Formats: sequence, structure tokens, C-alpha cells
Amino acid sequence: AQKITQTQPGMFVQEKEAVTLDCTYDTSDPSYGLFWYKQPSSGEMIFLIYQGSYDQQNATEGRYSLNFQKARKSANLVISASQLGDSAMYFCAMREGYDDMRFGAGTRLTVKP
Amino acid sequence: GAVVSQHPSRVICKSGTSVKIECRSLDFQATTMFWYRQFPKQSLMLMATSNEGSKATYEQGVEKDKFLINHASLTLSTLTVTSAHPEDSSFYICSARDEGRAAKNIQYFGAGTRLSVL
Repeated sequence: AQKITQTQPGMFVQEKEAVTLDCTYDTSDPSYGLFWYKQPSSGEMIFLIYQGSYDQQNATEGRYSLNFQKARKSANLVISASQLGDSAMYFCAMREGYDDMRFGAGTRLTVKP
Repeated sequence: GAVVSQHPSRVICKSGTSVKIECRSLDFQATTMFWYRQFPKQSLMLMATSNEGSKATYEQGVEKDKFLINHASLTLSTLTVTSAHPEDSSFYICSARDEGRAAKNIQYFGAGTRLSVL
């Protein structure tokens, strides 16, 4: 069964506006971690933000914030003040316990000037 | 963030040859490293988990004799694609898990290796 779901294959946002990329997950493990990575056309995977299942507050890293709704099992990424350089593939991932990490299908974000 | 170096970034080889890809964690020690494969316009697929000093754990459907993994030190894991064939052409990307105290076990990735087998 798919454990990480990203329902938006592609998203467009105007430069300087905020955008939300959706991610839902499924797990019965009480201890898990949620991650977002950015993959530009060069191929490298860039770590953006992490949220632990026991963290009380939503994670933030600069212009990135993670909207963690535990009961709904969602971990949406919010990018504020979009920049042209934000155009890339974005992957949501989950790690259960100490296991390896599994990825969603990804969302391609295009920032329009 | 932490740095993971992957080399080479691109390799073109003839069918039947073997190709070695190196993955190094430059500023932290990694007991555990991971190797992924990514097809165009798709997500990352875990191939194997590499554990320092022990045998790698392969995902179902991944041929361990085809994709040899060695994790001889806490900063280096290698993936060797043996007797490569055109169907092995893909983007291979490694990852190292930072297990330091405040690191939250975050996985950092190399820049990937694009393998083309002629």
C-alpha cells in the first residue's frame, strides 16, 4: 500500500507568492519522521525540512514551513515568497521508526515570473 | 547541511563492463547509507541499505550479484554495477544518514550518477 501520497503532479505559483504542496501519509508506528526534499533539474536531492511525530510545533526553516496535522496524517510544505529558483521537483518522505525512508511520487513546482 | 559526495556524476560505458560509484559522507560518520535508483520523471526507488562492516540489505527484486555494495568505512560506500547492460542505464543516487546526537537521523544525498550503458 502507498504510504506517502502526493496528489499534485504539478503546481504553478507566481513569483513572490506562497504555495502549499500536499503530502499525506499512512502509518501505524507512533514514532516516525517526515521529510521534504527538493530536486532541481541537476538531480541532486536537497534536504529542506524535518518534522518528528512527537514534535509539538510545526517545523520551520527559513521560507519553508511544514504544516503538520497529525490526526489527518498530513504534512504539507509551505513555501513563502516563491522565487524563480524554487522551480523543481519536491518530494515528501517518511521514515517509520529507524527504518529506511520512503518517498512520494513528487510534485513539480513551476514559479512564474 | 551535511555534505555527501558522489562520484562520478556521469559515466558512459560499453555493455558488459562494470562500473563503480563512490559515495562519501564528508563531515559526519555514517553507519548506514542507502542506494536509490531513479527513472525519468519518477520517484526514488530504494535499492539497498548499506551497513558499515556488514552485508547490505537489498530490496525485493534487486539482484545482489548485479549490484555489489561495499561499506568498508564509516564514510564510504560503493556501488558496483557488474556486467552492465543497457537496461541498467539510470540515475543512481546515494544517501547517508547522519546519526549524530542532534541530527534527527536526517538522510543527506549525493548529487547522483547518471549511468548510460551503450
